[in-house]
Amino acid sequence: QKEVEQDPGPLSVPEGAIVSLNCTYSNSAFQYFMWYRQYSRKGPELLMYTYSSGNKEDGRFTAQVDKSSKYISLFIRDSQPSDSATYLCAMNSGGYQKVTFGTGTKLQVIP
Amino acid sequence: DADVTQTPRNRITKTGKRIMLECSQTKGHDRMYWYRQDPGLGLRLIYYSFDVKDINKGEISDGYSVSRQAQAKFSLSLESAIPNQTALYFCATSDLPGDEQYFGPGTRLTVT
Repeated sequence: QKEVEQDPGPLSVPEGAIVSLNCTYSNSAFQYFMWYRQYSRKGPELLMYTYSSGNKEDGRFTAQVDKSSKYISLFIRDSQPSDSATYLCAMNSGGYQKVTFGTGTKLQVIP
Repeated sequence: DADVTQTPRNRITKTGKRIMLECSQTKGHDRMYWYRQDPGLGLRLIYYSFDVKDINKGEISDGYSVSRQAQAKFSLSLESAIPNQTALYFCATSDLPGDEQYFGPGTRLTVT
C-alpha cells in the first residue's frame, strides 16, 4: 500500500463548478501538507501549504487537513478552464524526512 | 527570472552516451533534489542533497550520479544512457521547516 493515495482521475467538470480533490495517507507523523498544480509539460507549482490540521484559503482555493482521518482536500470554487491541470498532493513529517508525493489527479474544466 | 532553472530543456541522445543535466537556483535554499516523472508513476526521487557536503540516494538512483558544485548548483549525470531513462526530469529546491519544494521547468530527455 502506498503511503499517499490519490485518485488519478481524470475529473471533468463544467466551468463554474466547485471541484474537490482529495488524498489519503497512512503515516500519522505527517504534519506539513502541500498542493501543487502542474500544467502539461511544465514543472509542478506550489499552490497551497498548510501545517497540521485545519483550513487555509487563498482566493478561489481552500486546503483542508483532517489529521484524525488522515485525509486532505483541495477545493476550487468557480472553476475556470485555466484550472485544467494535474494536481499533486504532498506531505512531510519535517526535519530530515523527505516529502512524499501523490501521483496526481488530472482535472479538466470544460467551458 | 526563474528561481530554479534547468538546462537543457530538451535532449535527445543515443543509448550508451553520457549526458549531464544541470540545475541552478537563486532561492538561497540549501536543499536540492532530482526527480523523474513518468506517466502513471508520479514523481520519483533520484538523488537529494541537504547541503553542499551532503548527497543521498533516492528511490531510483541506479544508473544516475550527481554533483553538488555549490549551494546554487546541482547536476545529474547519466553515465551510460538507456532507453528506459526516457522521462521528464525535474530539479527542485526546498527549505525548512516544511520542506515545501520549488521546481524547475523540467528537462525532457529521450534516449534512442
